[in-house]
Amino acid sequence: GAVVSQHPSWVICKSGTSVKIECRSLDFQATTMFWYRQFPKQSLMLMATSNEGSKATYEQGVEKDKFLINHASLTLSTLTVTSAHPEDSSFYICSATTGFTEAFFGQGTRLTVV
Amino acid sequence: GESVGLHLPTLSVQEGDNSIINCAYSNSASDYFIWYKQESGKGPQFIIDIRSNMDKRQGQRVTVLLNKTVKHLSLQIAATQPGDSAVYFCAENFNNDMRFGAGTRLTVKP
Repeated sequence: GAVVSQHPSWVICKSGTSVKIECRSLDFQATTMFWYRQFPKQSLMLMATSNEGSKATYEQGVEKDKFLINHASLTLSTLTVTSAHPEDSSFYICSATTGFTEAFFGQGTRLTVV
Repeated sequence: GESVGLHLPTLSVQEGDNSIINCAYSNSASDYFIWYKQESGKGPQFIIDIRSNMDKRQGQRVTVLLNKTVKHLSLQIAATQPGDSAVYFCAENFNNDMRFGAGTRLTVKP
């Protein structure tokens, strides 16, 4: 099956710094990538949808200036958490789709802000 | 539609029993549905899918039922095993817009 690689799988950063998470589709062209956030024991919460070459569409309540999403190619999307704070600590997951199949997920990134 | 951030309902079953996990979806125009399994600390894994022109689809030990009239999706797992313990999410897809249900935590007792 299709593979989506998410990197890093975990990261610890200091409060006030920025962290970049990469999501790559390894064997298919992803026209659309999704970024999710998951709190412990809760469902995945969609943060934004990004289509290659265009600006991401953010869900209500998600600060676009804090969670910068770039989808520069059909195989790569990045999420940058800017000026991270402890409340940004969470599990972030990306998924990618060609639009004609189910979405394939990355393995997730555990972000801890100290 | 909106993604949900709810605390997960739980289902506990005995090993060997059948499990039924239910999901209500929100968009009557959704044409593609997927069940995912998510183990702790990992990304979701695809289990089975179904398109809106079907009402039932079977896989290995799993069956998905779709009732469009009441916008309901269910996942049946036959002979549940300890390795089936995980959180299960349904997702609906409409115009490349994928939304997840709240998820259910399945616990299998030996």
